[in-house]
Amino acid sequence: DTEVTQTPKHLVMGMTNKKSLKCEQHMGHRAMYWYKQKAKKPPELMFVYSYEKLSINESVPSRFSPECPNSSLLNLHLHALQPEDSALYLCASSQDAQVDNYGYTFGSGTRLTVV
Amino acid sequence: KQEVTQIPAALSVPEGENLVLNCSFTDSAIYNLQWFRQDPGKGLTSLLLIQSSQREQTSGRLNASLDKSSGRSTLYIAASQPGDSATYLCAPDLYGGATNKLIFGTGTLLAVQP
Repeated sequence: DTEVTQTPKHLVMGMTNKKSLKCEQHMGHRAMYWYKQKAKKPPELMFVYSYEKLSINESVPSRFSPECPNSSLLNLHLHALQPEDSALYLCASSQDAQVDNYGYTFGSGTRLTVV
Repeated sequence: KQEVTQIPAALSVPEGENLVLNCSFTDSAIYNLQWFRQDPGKGLTSLLLIQSSQREQTSGRLNASLDKSSGRSTLYIAASQPGDSATYLCAPDLYGGATNKLIFGTGTLLAVQP
């Protein structure tokens, strides 16, 4: 299995809702990432998990809460989002956060719309 | 802060042309550099990975080069096809001590006309 799987593919949520995005990989990668991509912009790094520990938080608002329950799974919990948080959320994984000889593998993303 | 710029921002060419996409980055302390393509509304597909010790990589009609000292990479696409139409992103993997960071360029939107 050489894929990163993200669910759901599309999500519409109200500003008072709580929802979660899920990301899964079975490549034995020990680093996992969340990126946010606004329309016509490049992806921007949000969080990095290395060996199931949060390694980087790029000053992301607390309404976004990441979680890494095990080495294969990465979640992004959403609460009290704003319409400007609407974007494509991409998950990625790599062999290791520090020594990586194979590059990053990205999922197909979750298209989030906040109404 | 790593700044990654891609030129041109957009490109429209007739089918069959060879073309070059350029990427420049300000911080040369990179572990490797990866080129991706992205179709509208979709995720990222990895095209080529160049390790910092390498000068170039080839895959089919694609060839990517890396000059770390000058902070530049180019993606060469031979005999372009309409199916090559997409946004192309370069992404240097920046050294960060315990954790590297993959930082994306501004992208080149390519349209190949039949």
